[in-house]
Amino acid sequence: EAGVAQSPRYKIIEKRQSVAFWCNPISGHATLYWYQQILGQGPKLLIQFQNNGVVDDSQLPKDRFSAERLKGVDSTLKIQPAKLEDSAVYLCASSLGQVTDTQYFGPGTRLTVL
Amino acid sequence: GNSVTQMEGPVTLSEEAFLTINCTYTATGYPSLFWYVQYPGEGLQLLLKATKADDKGSNKGFEATYRKETTSFHLEKGSVQVSDSAVYFCALSAQGGSEKLVFGKGTKLTVNP
Repeated sequence: EAGVAQSPRYKIIEKRQSVAFWCNPISGHATLYWYQQILGQGPKLLIQFQNNGVVDDSQLPKDRFSAERLKGVDSTLKIQPAKLEDSAVYLCASSLGQVTDTQYFGPGTRLTVL
Repeated sequence: GNSVTQMEGPVTLSEEAFLTINCTYTATGYPSLFWYVQYPGEGLQLLLKATKADDKGSNKGFEATYRKETTSFHLEKGSVQVSDSAVYFCALSAQGGSEKLVFGKGTKLTVNP
């Protein structure tokens, strides 16, 4: 079974530029998550989708971050404009959708904002 | 709110030593508890989980028991190997809300031959 795919793996941008990340979850997984992992910390949830609807975006900085999951499959996360403090690894995860279900993580996108 | 506290690292052990990484949590209700591992250059992988009090999760020689009375989920392994060198994250998923994982800060383990 193919895992969670993410691209790009690395991205370097200047502050105030925009950037987008892509995620393709495991086939059949209804729930998709975007996490932000700042160096030295555990991942923090940014947004959770159930199919193509948003379940939780309480920690998403909505003035600069946006995300969508068209057709309930692939998802994109966008940052516009980027700030220095957005430098982090952005992780996508997917699960079947129940509380006890395992979340499977992609390899992440490492963003550096200069 | 829900939170996870795990022991500060880094932890350095010799091969075949006993490992304990402490994890305590704060949550309402009865959360599910997880240990995830991140090997160098790889993504997060589920190591083990427990979904109710007194459950023991186990995998690859690692064990953790869900202790509601002490709100703990300590990770243990009787004899570590060099290949266990990684960052270990304790996490919870609270029932009654979204299934999001709340992670601790991670503990880096280095095992020397």
